[in-house]
Amino acid sequence: SQTIHQWPATLVQPVGSPLSLECTVEGTSNPNLYWYRQAAGRGLQLLFYSVGIGQISSEVPQNLSASRPQDRQFILSSKKLLLSDSGFYLCAYIHSYEQYFGPGTRLTVT
Amino acid sequence: EDQVTQSPEALRLQEGESSSLNCSYTVSGLRGLFWYRQDPGKGPEFLFTLYSAGEEKEKERLKATLTKKESFLHITAPKPEDSATYLCAVANTGGGNKLTFGTGTQLKVEL
Repeated sequence: SQTIHQWPATLVQPVGSPLSLECTVEGTSNPNLYWYRQAAGRGLQLLFYSVGIGQISSEVPQNLSASRPQDRQFILSSKKLLLSDSGFYLCAYIHSYEQYFGPGTRLTVT
Repeated sequence: EDQVTQSPEALRLQEGESSSLNCSYTVSGLRGLFWYRQDPGKGPEFLFTLYSAGEEKEKERLKATLTKKESFLHITAPKPEDSATYLCAVANTGGGNKLTFGTGTQLKVEL
């Protein structure tokens, strides 16, 4: 069976600081991977998705970037955080056309 | 552009009081409609996928149905542990498995 991990679970960062969030998936090979952000009172917004190593598609122009250095690793980064980057970040993978989500990272930019 | 609208935004039920949540959608070609449950501070938990109008799926006290314009999540005799936010999402046939989500219905079931 597949499992998905995200870390850290929570993060408080000052404006202008860098960011690195990590997502890893176990129990599957070459999964499609997704980064979403969930702001309070809003639905999940797709940020990036990847169909393979080094292949990243961006859905929303923003202060963030993503990378996929290994088959089952997906990283979300920023060089300089903005207040508007605060939110709940979720990673997901596809299995049998269905998306399964990780536990999420709560990011607060102060 | 795909759109998903969920109603009501919030719903309070007494234990045992059945009700339905609505998900209205517009999509160029529906590949699937998905229901998720999300507890506070947690990632969404997959519940159901519906692929075509007329399809129904059940899991414990939950039953999801699908028409060409909307989906309903029926909750029969709910219990307090059913309290959560229920999210609806659609994927279109040309979207590469990308999901468009609604903002969810926050359900609270009281004793």
